[in-house]
This record gives sequence, structure tokens and C-alpha cells, in this order.
Amino acid sequence: DVQLQESGPGLVKPSQSLSLTCTVTGYSITSDYAWNWIRQFPGNKLEWMGYISYSGSTSYNPSLKSRISITRDTSKNQFFLQLNSVTTEDTATYYCARSLKTGTYFDYWGQGTTLTVSS
Amino acid sequence: DIVLTQSPATLSVTPGDRVSLSCRASQSISNYLHWYQQKSHESPRLLIKYASQSISGIPSRFSGSGSGTDFTLSINSVETEDFGMYFCQQSNSWYTFGGGTKLEIK
Repeated sequence: DVQLQESGPGLVKPSQSLSLTCTVTGYSITSDYAWNWIRQFPGNKLEWMGYISYSGSTSYNPSLKSRISITRDTSKNQFFLQLNSVTTEDTATYYCARSLKTGTYFDYWGQGTTLTVSS
Repeated sequence: DIVLTQSPATLSVTPGDRVSLSCRASQSISNYLHWYQQKSHESPRLLIKYASQSISGIPSRFSGSGSGTDFTLSINSVETEDFGMYFCQQSNSWYTFGGGTKLEIK
């Protein structure tokens, strides 16, 4: 069965960069699908951040495009989120999730990792 | 951006009730609308895809309908395990989510 697991630092200072890892088991991230990052703010609002596809192409939410980068390590079956110049408004639970590449839904999700931005 | 508005924000029901949750899009999205359930301290779980298509492993009491701008998630005979948050999500243009409906026990 496909499983996704996020990991990260838990706490980041304002103006720094955050880096999160999603480790996928049960499916190769180079076989098919898109591999997404989605975050949920306090108060429950969900925001799609971007994805890296099985081929390595990326797509980002325009609201984040200047700050975000999604990369991968195919040898470890992992993909990564980097978000630059964070503020307290980036405090959220971050999920990785799988989807078809376009026009679709998220069928497998990780359990989420909470990130707090605070000095 | 396509804005999804869910109503009501909170719905208080008794187990055994039939309930309908609404999701309205700010412009037509055809049937590119998907529903999720999220229980406390868990990640979202896909319930319905493309407005009305069922998902393997999801109980048959969950159903979806609608197209264009107005969509409904129905739960036929709510069970205690169904209480939690419900979100809609569109994939017609980028991806956005509704603000959610909280289903609680009356």
C-alpha cells in the first residue's frame, strides 16, 4: 500500500527557510502521478502549494511562486519542500499527498507535520 | 482564483439523520469537484471524486451530486464515526479548497 510520511524541524525562525521531507513507500515516485505539498493553517483552511511530477516537472501555486521549490531524491524515493523567507503566517500543518498530474484529486496523504514559525 | 464556499459552517445532527452539505463555486468548474472527510488530528480522506464518483472503501451512505457551480455531499443515515470536518476541493483551475463544514453531534 502507498504510504507517505512527512518530516521536518518543527520550529523555524522568521526570515529563515523551511525544509520538509516526504518519504514515500509502496510506490516509486518516478513511475507515475504528481507528488504534492498541501498545508493547513490554524482554523482549518487548506492551501495547495505545489507538486513535482513523476517526470520531475514542477508546478507551484502562483501565490507562493517566488518563495517555493520542490525537489526530489529518486534514490531515496523522497521529495522535498523548501519555502524561503518564512513569516508567522507560514505556521501550519504541512501534508504531502499524491494526485494524478492534472485536474484531479488527492488520493493518498501523509499524516502531516506541524511547523511553527517563531522567534 | 476559484473560490469554494461551503455551507453551513457547522451542522448539528443526530445519528441516523440524512444530511446534505453544500459547496458552491465562484465560477463553473464542470464536475472537477472532490470531497474529503477529516477527523480530529488526522489527515483528510478522499470520499467522492468528480462530484459523484464513488471511492473504493468508502461506505455507500456517502454520495455526491452537482455540476457547474453547485454541489452537494449527502450522508444517508449518519453514523457516529462520520462526525468531523468535510472539505470540498476543485481541480478545474489550479487547486483550491472550501472552508469546510463541521459535522457535530446534536
